[in-house]
Amino acid sequence: DGGITQSPKYLFRKEGQNVTLSCEQNLNHDAMYWYRQDPGQGLRLIYYSQIVNDFQKGDIAEGYSVSREKKESFPLTVTSAQKNPTAFYLCASSSITDVAEKNIQYFGAGTRLSVL
Amino acid sequence: LAKTTQPISMDSYEGQEVNITCSHNNIATNDYITWYQQFPSQGPRFIIQGYKTKVTNEVASLFIPADRKSSTLSLPRVSLSDTAVYYCLVAAYSGAGSYQLTFGKGTKLSVIP
Repeated sequence: DGGITQSPKYLFRKEGQNVTLSCEQNLNHDAMYWYRQDPGQGLRLIYYSQIVNDFQKGDIAEGYSVSREKKESFPLTVTSAQKNPTAFYLCASSSITDVAEKNIQYFGAGTRLSVL
Repeated sequence: LAKTTQPISMDSYEGQEVNITCSHNNIATNDYITWYQQFPSQGPRFIIQGYKTKVTNEVASLFIPADRKSSTLSLPRVSLSDTAVYYCLVAAYSGAGSYQLTFGKGTKLSVIP
C-alpha cells in the first residue's frame, strides 16, 4: 500500500518545547515538502527537499527545522522559536524523474498541532 | 511565482455541471496548471493538470485557452460528496526537475441537495 504517512495525527506542544512531526513515504519520490495550513487559508511552504542531505527554505521557515537523512523520511521539528505553531501541517512528495508526474505532489493526511 | 485568482465560494445543486474559473496572468512558459481538492482535515488530493487546450480524466475536465492566462475546471454532474475546497495552482518549474506549488485560499464549493 503506497503512500505518505504522517504521524501523529494530533500533537500538543507545551511552552518552550520542541516537537517533531514525522513524514514517511514509500513512493520512491525524490522530492518532499512541508506545508502549514491555518484555518480558512491555503497552504504555505515551510521547507522542501529535492534530494537526500539537502533541503531548502520555503516561504515561512523561521522557527522550523528539517532533516533528510533518508529518501523515505523528512521529519519537521517545530522549535520553541515558532511563537504561533498552532496549525495543520501537511507533508507531500513528488517524483522528479517521472516525466508524467514531475509536477504533481501527493499529500499525507496531516498532523494537527496545538499549544497547551 | 505565478499567483492565481479564483472565486472564494460557489454553490451548486446536485446533478449540475460546475465550472470554476481561475486567472493566472503571469504564468511562465514552463509552468503547468494544476487543480487540487481538499476536504476538511485532510490533505489536498490531485484532480487534474494541463499545459494548454483541453484535458479530461475520469473526474474532471480542464480547459485552457491559447494565452494560458486563465483556466476552467469543469466537474460534471456534481454530488454532495464533491463539497470541498478546490485549489487552482500554477506548478512553477524551480530547477533540477522540481516544481513548486503556490496555494491560494481556493474556492469553497457547496453542493446542495
